[in-house]
Amino acid sequence: KAGVTQTPRYLIKTRGQQVTLSCSPISGHRSVSWYQQTPGQGLQFLFEYFSETQRNKGNFPGRFSGRQFSNSRSEMNVSTLELGDSALYLCASSEGTGATEAFFGQGTRLTVV
Amino acid sequence: GENVEQHPSTLSVQEGDSAVIKCTYSDSASNYFPWYKQELGKRPQLIIDIRSNVGEKKDQRIAVTLNKTAKHFSLHITETQPEDSAVYFCAASTRGYSTLTFGKGTMLLVSP
Repeated sequence: KAGVTQTPRYLIKTRGQQVTLSCSPISGHRSVSWYQQTPGQGLQFLFEYFSETQRNKGNFPGRFSGRQFSNSRSEMNVSTLELGDSALYLCASSEGTGATEAFFGQGTRLTVV
Repeated sequence: GENVEQHPSTLSVQEGDSAVIKCTYSDSASNYFPWYKQELGKRPQLIIDIRSNVGEKKDQRIAVTLNKTAKHFSLHITETQPEDSAVYFCAASTRGYSTLTFGKGTMLLVSP
């Protein structure tokens, strides 16, 4: 069974630009959650998608958005990038029905300059 | 919303010693508590989890205990080895869904 795949692995963007990150979950998993990981704040929840619908959302500004496609692949978008958006962005896939193990991708390292 | 506090932030032990990491949570509705290990440059990986209807769970050298009344749970690693060195995160599942609220992590260093 293939694991969770995130692309790209690394990104360098300039302040003010926008960026789109992609996550392909484990086959059969319908839930994809996104997390921002920084040294100071640890792992912070961004949002969760289940069957193409946003089911839960964390405390991030509206510049952070996402979507999920019918094949469960998910994308997150960050518009008007700020220096503080530099982080490792992780997605996690799970079955989504009740409390089950979440499997993480390797992450996308975003650097905003 | 849920808040998870984790202590200590760093923990240094000698090989063969035991290590204990403690977490508290705020939302009494949380019912799933996983622990993740993240090695440098790698993705977080689940090492053990516990559900709210269970007080303790063991898997070889790793155990987790849960006290629902006090809203805290702990990770116990016995006979530590250098390869146990990593950052460990506790988490709580809010409303039983896939959303996880994480503690800030504990850097465990096991010296030979």
